[in-house]
Amino acid sequence: AQSVAQPEDQVNVAEGNPLTVKCTYSVSGNPYLFWYVQYPNRGLQFLLKYITGDNLVKGSYGFEAEFNKSQTSFHLKKPSALVSDSALYFCALNYGGSQGNLIFGKGTKLSVKP
Amino acid sequence: SQTIHQWPATLVQPVGSPLSLECTVEGTSNPNLYWYRQAAGRGLQLLFYSVGIGQISSEVPQNLSASRPQDRQFILSSKKLLLSDSGFYLCAWSRRRRSIDTQYFGPGTRLTVL
Repeated sequence: AQSVAQPEDQVNVAEGNPLTVKCTYSVSGNPYLFWYVQYPNRGLQFLLKYITGDNLVKGSYGFEAEFNKSQTSFHLKKPSALVSDSALYFCALNYGGSQGNLIFGKGTKLSVKP
Repeated sequence: SQTIHQWPATLVQPVGSPLSLECTVEGTSNPNLYWYRQAAGRGLQLLFYSVGIGQISSEVPQNLSASRPQDRQFILSSKKLLLSDSGFYLCAWSRRRRSIDTQYFGPGTRLTVL
């Protein structure tokens, strides 16, 4: 069965330091993976996705993610964190093909301190 | 450009009362539409999805129902609300195509059932 795991409930980073938010997945077919960000009481904003091609995917707001098939991971990264990056981050896996049904991880709260 | 609207933004309803939440999409046609529920600031769960007018698929059995009376309108309903229906309801859309596409989310409706 397909699943997505975000092993950290919270990640704390100092402003200017690199950040990593972890995601692992399990799927029987090809993995189609997404990262979203959610600010308090707001909808989810799309950051980036991996469908096929380069393992390093670049997205919005300076974020990137590295797809690693052998480790079944899709970690979100940013070289230099900003206080404004503080939010809830979700990793998601498409399991519905072109219908696009997503299964989400539980979310990781990122806190960036000045 | 495409825009997705949800209303109301917040709603407080007594147990046993009916519910109607509306979602509309502008700037696209024939979208796939989705309803999610997010409990306690984490964990999105797919409730319903639709690939066309009158075509609704339910992911989980529950007290809620969905309808799609027009191409870009998606409604979430209940005849009698339960306390457990409280949560943050998110509508999303994606382009209907063969390949995997991104889901884009609305601003959400916060429902509190008392």
